Amino acid sequence: ETGVTQTPRHLVMGMTNKKSLKCEQHLGHNAMYWYKQSAKKPLELMFVYSLEERVENNSVPSRFSPECPNSSHLFLHLHTLQPEDSALYLCASSQEQRNTEAFFGQGTRLTVV
Amino acid sequence: GEDVEQSLFLSVREGDSSVINCTYTDSSSTYLYWYKQEPGAGLQLLTYIFSNMDMKQDQRLTVLLNKKDKHLSLRIADTQTGDSAIYFCAERSGAGTALIFGKGTTLSVSS
Repeated sequence: ETGVTQTPRHLVMGMTNKKSLKCEQHLGHNAMYWYKQSAKKPLELMFVYSLEERVENNSVPSRFSPECPNSSHLFLHLHTLQPEDSALYLCASSQEQRNTEAFFGQGTRLTVV
Repeated sequence: GEDVEQSLFLSVREGDSSVINCTYTDSSSTYLYWYKQEPGAGLQLLTYIFSNMDMKQDQRLTVLLNKKDKHLSLRIADTQTGDSAIYFCAERSGAGTALIFGKGTTLSVSS
């Protein structure tokens, strides 16, 4: 148990669906991240939120929409996804001022059909 | 740009030592990390090293850093079958930056 919880653990959605991934951290951290993990590719940083403001957006398609309502919660809203978006989506958090390591959730395994 | 490279596979026998290597390109990297990912799970931090250190030892794990060559290695002594997992090298260049990961090395331990 890392203190970062992601739900759901598995999600299958059609290309016309809208769904959301949720991440919650109980560590008192002030930065949260979304990463995408595809087979045989490096972990791709998608979004960074620091103090609830988006500070990085790595050219992610607009069909992925993040939301950070407070420092403990992070969402990734999904709509009209493509099959190539199937991957493991990992959420992480860290305490930026102390520059400590990031703690990861167990991920949501997303399959787009 | 930033880049972290690792070999993709390593196979060892139980009881042997495993050495997983990583190279990075960002000379301003100040913190380097090793994460472990078991099947179906997220990433778990194993150990980390600051760039002003050459070596760090933590029980069966030894991290070596060659900052001149931008080379990082993780040695696992007395490798066990439970060590089978994907090992990720990651770096960050300072406070306020996100981790940059390699593709991961799949370690397979046979008995």
